Amino acid sequence: QKEVEQDPGPLSVPEGAIVSLNCTYSNSAFQYFMWYRQYSRKGPELLMYTYSSGNKEDGRFTAQVDKSSKYISLFIRDSQPSDSATYLCAVVSGGYNKLIFGAGTRLAVHP
Amino acid sequence: GAVVSQHPSRVICKSGTSVKIECRSLDFQATTMFWYRQFPKQSLMLMATSNEGSKATYEQGVEKDKFLINHASLTLSTLTVTSAHPEDSSFYICSARGTGTATEAFFGQGTRLTVV
Repeated sequence: QKEVEQDPGPLSVPEGAIVSLNCTYSNSAFQYFMWYRQYSRKGPELLMYTYSSGNKEDGRFTAQVDKSSKYISLFIRDSQPSDSATYLCAVVSGGYNKLIFGAGTRLAVHP
Repeated sequence: GAVVSQHPSRVICKSGTSVKIECRSLDFQATTMFWYRQFPKQSLMLMATSNEGSKATYEQGVEKDKFLINHASLTLSTLTVTSAHPEDSSFYICSARGTGTATEAFFGQGTRLTVV
């Protein structure tokens, strides 16, 4: 079983839609959860990170962690074509706090 | 967020030659740097973790003699792909984490390596 599972998509939505991106993880010891956005042929950029359970909101983006079900989500409200990218969830693991990534979900927001 | 500069962004080399990729943290001191490899439409696979002044820790299945990592200063790490072969063609990305930052890691722009 992979440590972090993420549906690779692709996910196609119309502009203005609410997007829900999800990941599951296997180790209940994970405490930090990240969401990165990656445009084609670019390095990932950190969108948000959360510690333990709960919600965190930043503009149109909301990150949610449910530790009881080992489920992490990213919601994008009022999606824009500029949101079209690959979204990667990640957990922090190990002594060096290395990041373990999900497969990434490719999102396309069409006008 | 903090800035991590990776160079070159693209490189084409002949089979059998070596290629060096640089990763610099521009506005912070990076105690830990990570090197990833990414194949098209796939996720990032961690290759190795390096701490300044120490030997890199390689992930299982990554050849340390082929992918040489040096982290000689708090702002620079290098990855050298030795005796490159076409199967080494990939997108290589570094990330860096600063002192006092347990979680946030900032990524470089990546290097597209093509071995012909």
